[in-house]
Amino acid sequence: SQTIHQWPATLVQPVGSPLSLECTVEGTSNPNLYWYRQAAGRGLQLLFYSVGIGQISSEVPQNLSASRPQDRQFILSSKKLLLSDSGFYLCAWSVGGAFYGYTFGSGTRLTVV
Amino acid sequence: AQKVTQAQTEISVVEKEDVTLDCVYETRDTTYYLFWYKQPPSGELVFLIRRNSFDEQNEISGRYSWNFQKSTSSFNFTITASQVVDSAVYFCALKSQAGTALIFGKGTTLSVSS
Repeated sequence: SQTIHQWPATLVQPVGSPLSLECTVEGTSNPNLYWYRQAAGRGLQLLFYSVGIGQISSEVPQNLSASRPQDRQFILSSKKLLLSDSGFYLCAWSVGGAFYGYTFGSGTRLTVV
Repeated sequence: AQKVTQAQTEISVVEKEDVTLDCVYETRDTTYYLFWYKQPPSGELVFLIRRNSFDEQNEISGRYSWNFQKSTSSFNFTITASQVVDSAVYFCALKSQAGTALIFGKGTTLSVSS
């Protein structure tokens, strides 16, 4: 069966520090991978998606970047965090066409102080 | 442009009450898919239902039911005889056939008290 792992679960980082959040998927090949952010009291905003190794599309200009070094690994990074980067980050995967929904990881709650 | 609107920000009910969560969507595509997800306090998103644009048949799953009406671009979710465990944030989402990702509404926070 397919599983998605996301870590860490919580993170407190000072302003200006770097960030690296990792997401891995097991039990499937060539998944579409996504990073979403949920700010406090707001909906889910798509940040990045990837349809293959090294292929990254950005939906919104950010202080963040994403990379996909392996088929089932998706990394969200920042060189210098801002206070506004605080939020709940969710990784998700999907396969096939639009009919199939997404499976989400358990999320990382990031607080920038 | 695609958009999902969940006008109800917060709803509070007492156990055993029925509650309906509204969802209105916008898309120019003829083929699209609608979803509902539940986000309990733990934060993880739990898939509830998927419906395609060609299937307007309503669906019932236990205490949950969904009413899809293309004429009004709505996909409403009803919980019958609500329970405290239903307390969560509920998201409605849309994905078109040609779209790249799920578009979410801002969510409705449901609080069920005993």
